[in-house]
Amino acid sequence: GAVVSQHPSRVICKSGTSVKIECRSLDFQATTMFWYRQFPKKSLMLMATSNEGSKATYEQGVEKDKFLINHASLTLSTLTVTSAHPEDSSFYICSAKGHTSTDTQYFGPGTRLTVL
Amino acid sequence: GESVGLHLPTLSVQEGDNSIINCAYSNSASDYFIWYKQESGKGPQFIIDIRSNMDKRQGQRVTVLLNKTVKHLSLQIAATQPGDSAVYFCAERRKGTALIFGKGTTLSVSS
Repeated sequence: GAVVSQHPSRVICKSGTSVKIECRSLDFQATTMFWYRQFPKKSLMLMATSNEGSKATYEQGVEKDKFLINHASLTLSTLTVTSAHPEDSSFYICSAKGHTSTDTQYFGPGTRLTVL
Repeated sequence: GESVGLHLPTLSVQEGDNSIINCAYSNSASDYFIWYKQESGKGPQFIIDIRSNMDKRQGQRVTVLLNKTVKHLSLQIAATQPGDSAVYFCAERRKGTALIFGKGTTLSVSS
């Protein structure tokens, strides 16, 4: 199957700082990427959908100014958590879908963010 | 709101048994369903999928059943192994949108 990577896998930061998480599709062109958030022992919650070259569509309740998403190329999307607070600590997972694949979303390994 | 959910949060089985994990969905407009396996600290791993025009699909040691009449999805794992221990999520896709995940079932396999 297709490979999606995330970087970093783990990050610890101080309150008030910003953190950028990268999501890359390694062997296919991802026209659409999705960002999910997962709390311990909970399910994945969709945060936003981004299409290459256009603005991301955020789910209800997700602050677009706090979670900045950029999908500048067909292989890279970034999620920036701005002015991070401890409540932003979570597991962030991206997934990607190619234009030739009508259904399949391939998931990255996730990024564990801890805000002190 | 509408969501995909699972009937049981945990399931414990013995090695070699068959496992059945259930999921109920509420949106009849969903046309595509996937089962994912997630191990601790990792991203979801695709197991098997099924489209709404099918009622059964088989993979290697896994079978997914779809009952659209009662909006029910199940994952059957044959000869469950300790390596199958993980959290299993069903997900639905409404055409043109992202996958929406259910709550998850933790499968524990004892030797």
